[in-house]
Amino acid sequence: DQQVKQNSPSLSVQEGRISILNCDYTNSMFDYFLWYKKYPAEGPTFLISISSIKDKNEDGRFTVFLNKSAKHLSLHIVPSQPGDSAVYFCAAHFNDYKLSFGAGTTVTVRA
Amino acid sequence: DADVTQTPRNRITKTGKRIMLECSQTKGHDRMYWYRQDPGLGLRLIYYSFDVKDINKGEISDGYSVSRQAQAKFSLSLESAIPNQTALYFCATSVGTAQETQYFGPGTRLLVL
Repeated sequence: DQQVKQNSPSLSVQEGRISILNCDYTNSMFDYFLWYKKYPAEGPTFLISISSIKDKNEDGRFTVFLNKSAKHLSLHIVPSQPGDSAVYFCAAHFNDYKLSFGAGTTVTVRA
Repeated sequence: DADVTQTPRNRITKTGKRIMLECSQTKGHDRMYWYRQDPGLGLRLIYYSFDVKDINKGEISDGYSVSRQAQAKFSLSLESAIPNQTALYFCATSVGTAQETQYFGPGTRLLVL
């Protein structure tokens, strides 16, 4: 049973607008959350993370929000650029350092 | 040069054949991982190793085995490949600290006929 879920398999957004990617989790013991970005024929690359003791982390155009009571996190990309077109994976840490991944959301940024 | 490399990048094999996927890293990390990616399922952990003498099963280890030949090398074997092992396989490494990032190789695309 997947403990990290990304319920939107795809997202299409116009260049310059905001992209919002969502992720839900079931295990309240997760202590750290990450977003990875994956281009075709490449491995996932780390994008941004957030500790379970925080509710927001920002890095340039990327902001991750964590709502622990709802067991929900989201990734905001503002403004969206063509190079942001990729698959985005949400992941969560157990305290023994293993990662549990969501199924991924494919983002397409339209010119 | 890439920090985490995987060979081969693509492989086609037949049911029942034994194959090995190899992973090497130059990051100096102690921890290494093998994942598989399937459409609609994300990445699932097959095996992981926290150092050369430590090997652990992940959530989907049946049908797979691994070997940690050195700190820098971690191989995944399919002893007798079957079609539902057709997937994209990723190796990853990490330092071994709290709230850490894992670094992924480029992946091996495996097709079992």
